[in-house]
Amino acid sequence: SAVISQKPSRDICQRGTSLTIQCQVDSQVTMMFWYRQQPGQSLTLIATANQGSEATYESGFVIDKFPISRPNLTFSTLTVSNMSPEDSSIYLCSVHQTGAAEAFFGQGTRLTVV
Amino acid sequence: KNQVEQSPQSLIILEGKNCTLQCNYTVSPFSNLRWYKQDTGRGPVSLTIMTFSENTKSNGRYTATLDADTKQSSLHITASQLSDSASYICVVSGYGGSQGNLIFGKGTKLSVKP
Repeated sequence: SAVISQKPSRDICQRGTSLTIQCQVDSQVTMMFWYRQQPGQSLTLIATANQGSEATYESGFVIDKFPISRPNLTFSTLTVSNMSPEDSSIYLCSVHQTGAAEAFFGQGTRLTVV
Repeated sequence: KNQVEQSPQSLIILEGKNCTLQCNYTVSPFSNLRWYKQDTGRGPVSLTIMTFSENTKSNGRYTATLDADTKQSSLHITASQLSDSASYICVVSGYGGSQGNLIFGKGTKLSVKP
């Protein structure tokens, strides 16, 4: 199994500002994933964070809005830039260890933009 | 289009009662189906994972079934407890089983009342 520490757990931010969410894993993993969960909706994959290369973004998500860092095999950050109220969501990081079917999630960051 | 549909959207039951949650999917090709429990303010936690050849899998009071022919799954909760109050998310993994191919349902919000 993998234990994921994600922070902050929640934040209230002013529109136009940026927030960086951190995700720390207790073991080395090749890929880390960032999701958004809007109220009443399913989880939507934002991007895959690969160590040593650029993150891979899903359709509808761009690097300028959601820059991602992956400095090593146990850590990643997601920044929500130039926030608007529409960015209010829960953001989750997740890992999937090579060869295993299981996916593990952080506890999520509940972001409210006012 | 790959989709995962869950029903009901929400459910209220009395403590001690049983309930069954449904999941229908159109994901193809299919690798595995997972049920997750997501407590309010927390990340999803895995309950079961089933591959094509598995019809049923239990985890304590949780029993999941899978009919790969009809592309339906159910999650049965026995003798519900107050702590079962959460959202239950059905997730289907597409070809290769990689996390990049995970299709999430919107979840069923279960409330267990005393």
